[in-house]
Amino acid sequence: KNQVEQSPQSLIILEGKNCTLQCNYTVSPFSNLRWYKQDTGRGPVSLTIMTFSENTKSNGRYTATLDADTKQSSLHITASQLSDSASYICVVADRGSTLGRLYFGRGTQLTVWP
Amino acid sequence: EADIYQTPRYLVIGTGKKITLECSQTMGHDKMYWYQQDPGMELHLIHYSYGVNSTEKGDLSSESTVSRIRTEHFPLTLESARPSHTSQYLCASTYGTSGRAEQFFGPGTRLTVL
Repeated sequence: KNQVEQSPQSLIILEGKNCTLQCNYTVSPFSNLRWYKQDTGRGPVSLTIMTFSENTKSNGRYTATLDADTKQSSLHITASQLSDSASYICVVADRGSTLGRLYFGRGTQLTVWP
Repeated sequence: EADIYQTPRYLVIGTGKKITLECSQTMGHDKMYWYQQDPGMELHLIHYSYGVNSTEKGDLSSESTVSRIRTEHFPLTLESARPSHTSQYLCASTYGTSGRAEQFFGPGTRLTVL
């Protein structure tokens, strides 16, 4: 069964600190892995997209890593800001359909305190 | 900021009413999607469309229906709303056949059925 599991479910950190969010998946055949940021009451916004051959990808203070062998990914946030408070969703695309089928994790709810 | 719009943003309605959630995009994308998301849960695909006059049901069974008469417009209709339909509905679109193509999400419609 294709699944995406994220941990922790929620996380509270102080402004300026770093944090790392985890994602494990069982989706096969694998096409790519995406991290999305979803603010409360809004739609998800893409942060990074990584294919099988990409181990790391950065977008400003966000750095995603991918280990396709162990089927694990992480999202590292550096020097957190209050605006980073949001749900971070790991999404895996399978290669088996022309639809571009996506499998979503439940997200990690990050709260940044001043 | 993606050019994909949803109206209304919030809707509170009584049981048995017919409702239509609007979704439109100005990017010329061929593929469009409807997702349902409950608090703290993953997004579930309920409908998708490959293009004009193409509509398919997604993974999550839904009593809603969709239509795609124009490329830019993908409305979702509930003929008789029930409290079990209370949820957030997210519309998304993407382009081409590449599995790497980003899905752009609208801001969502928060539906409450009393």
